[in-house]
Amino acid sequence: DGGITQSPKYLFRKEGQNVTLSCEQNLNHDAMYWYRQDPGQGLRLIYYSQIVNDFQKGDIAEGYSVSREKKESFPLTVTSAQKNPTAFYLCASSIKGAGALYNEQFFGPGTRLTVL
Amino acid sequence: RKEVEQDPGPFNVPEGATVAFNCTYSNSASQSFFWYRQDCRKEPKLLMSVYSSGNEDGRFTAQLNRASQYISLLIRDSKLSDSATYLCVVTLPSYTLTFGKGTMLLVSP
Repeated sequence: DGGITQSPKYLFRKEGQNVTLSCEQNLNHDAMYWYRQDPGQGLRLIYYSQIVNDFQKGDIAEGYSVSREKKESFPLTVTSAQKNPTAFYLCASSIKGAGALYNEQFFGPGTRLTVL
Repeated sequence: RKEVEQDPGPFNVPEGATVAFNCTYSNSASQSFFWYRQDCRKEPKLLMSVYSSGNEDGRFTAQLNRASQYISLLIRDSKLSDSATYLCVVTLPSYTLTFGKGTMLLVSP
């Protein structure tokens, strides 16, 4: 089945530790995205990538890092510099690049990160 | 002014009712429009794109009013399974999606 997978579903970490969230897609989509969702809030863009080995900061990139070494994979690292890391993290992908007309994005199931 | 605004609700309706949501956007250069559905603690799922001419998909009808800068979603014959949060999404040229905070719909028996 084609789709986007994220792992793990739930993640607990101690304050001050870096943590990496996985995102994989087998849809052959060029563009991939990371969002963060807090309770009662809209999704906010962290980073996006339009092609391999290239990525751009979104609205709230501070305290996060990404890599795009393969088309299928776009892992997100939440660093200790991120002041409020507890959130629901969503990965998405799209056929067209960011900014393209009617660029429908499709989401993975998300990872709930809790920092203790 | 927020980029994308929605009434958070909740909208409480009985099964079989017709319900409508509106969403306003602030940037007149917005070029693409969508409605996504998000169930509790799940990922958003694309419900429908919204085109200038309006479009319909079964019980769902979406309209775009560029002059007034709003989009709407009409749900006819509501089902219990329609209970969810509906997210209004717009894009600007050369940028990615901007999400509203969502409107919660609760359909009761």
